[in-house]
Amino acid sequence: ETGVTQSPTHLIKTRGQQVTLRCSSQSGHNTVSWYQQALGQGPQFIFQYYREEENGRGNFPPRFSGLQFPNYSSELNVNALELDDSALYLCASSLAQRGNTGELFFGEGSRLTVL
Amino acid sequence: AQSVTQLGSHVSVSEGALVLLRCNYSSSVPPYLFWYVQYPNQGLQLLLKYTTGATLVKGINGFEAEFKKSETSFHLTKPSAHMSDAAEYFCAVSDNTDKLIFGTGTRLQVFP
Repeated sequence: ETGVTQSPTHLIKTRGQQVTLRCSSQSGHNTVSWYQQALGQGPQFIFQYYREEENGRGNFPPRFSGLQFPNYSSELNVNALELDDSALYLCASSLAQRGNTGELFFGEGSRLTVL
Repeated sequence: AQSVTQLGSHVSVSEGALVLLRCNYSSSVPPYLFWYVQYPNQGLQLLLKYTTGATLVKGINGFEAEFKKSETSFHLTKPSAHMSDAAEYFCAVSDNTDKLIFGTGTRLQVFP
């Protein structure tokens, strides 16, 4: 049991709208990463937050933004939605420490459909 | 830059048969390698990982993978497939961080 929970599980938006997705990390984890998984593709790294600061970003435009809160929960915000933003958005938490070996614990994802 | 190539988007085996899912990587630094499994409508679950040391890595559910530097491969195997193994499998690479680069996945079907 991973302990990472995401909400909402499914949502439908129209092009141009804004969306906020939420993630509650596994207890004790101080790092959260967000991935976008388009249909039939592998997850693509969006960004990572460590202790409330962005700690790396993938090849995504600035309209993708995030927040991490003191309790290590997190939000992913996407502005000016485009049709290609339709995907499963996965949140993953981990415990950053020396020799981190990349063991991520994933939530079940939020499936976003943009019409 | 790092990348992962998974050969074969779909693999079908009979129950009890050998499972072999192929993964090749590219990395300019010593790679950390992972296999994740995704069941329908679920998130990803770590099967196994290679960081340093022994090149044959054993994971959960009877899966194992062997890191072959000379072949830049990290293929996933299981001696005997079970119906419950049907899922999507992703190979991933990282550079000793928890920012993973995933392959496009291989869907495993298991027939009775």
